[in-house]
Amino acid sequence: AQKITQTQPGMFVQEKEAVTLDCTYDTSDPSYGLFWYKQPSSGEMIFLIYQGSYDQQNATEGRYSLNFQKARKSANLVISASQLGDSAMYFCAMREGGAGGTSYGKLTFGQGTILTVHP
Amino acid sequence: GAGVSQSPSNKVTEKGKDVELRCDPISGHTALYWYRQSLGQGLEFLIYFQGNSAPDKSGLPSDRFSAERTGGSVSTLTIQRTQQEDSAVYLCASSYGTTVGEQYFGPGTRLTVT
Repeated sequence: AQKITQTQPGMFVQEKEAVTLDCTYDTSDPSYGLFWYKQPSSGEMIFLIYQGSYDQQNATEGRYSLNFQKARKSANLVISASQLGDSAMYFCAMREGGAGGTSYGKLTFGQGTILTVHP
Repeated sequence: GAGVSQSPSNKVTEKGKDVELRCDPISGHTALYWYRQSLGQGLEFLIYFQGNSAPDKSGLPSDRFSAERTGGSVSTLTIQRTQQEDSAVYLCASSYGTTVGEQYFGPGTRLTVT
């Protein structure tokens, strides 16, 4: 079974509008972290936002927010006021296991969503 | 401060040759990860280092792949007898620890095996 599922291969949004990128995850570990990374055409992976499994509030970082619904195992990324520079591939990733765990912090990635922002 | 650096940025090699890919993590980051990004497989974990030891090599695709880290800093990923299926972008990431903090990625090495 896929541990991270991103069901939207591509998304389009008009500049200045908000967009939601979907991510669902699968784990039996009670302690985990969820990450979103942006990969522009240049290829670099840019960290955007993090949500811990025990965090009570949804994470926010500037125009990025993470809609964390633990019971549904979803961690959708919301980008408000889209900009042309937001056009990129977006990856959702999970790190399983807390302190003392054996996952050693490795990230499992989804297949990614290509976001295109139209002027 | 300086981010994660990788070299070379591009490498074209002939099938059967050996290649070495280098990663220089952020200073002070004890955890170092190698991932591979290819069209068919997406982003895959290869190996993890804590200091100079590699407790998790579970993602290495075959025994042609090996990696080492020296001085708790620079890491080298070596692929012996390269095959065309090894063509991919090899990404290195580092972090302060394994269970806290995000991983910072380098720009990657694009490997093409002809």
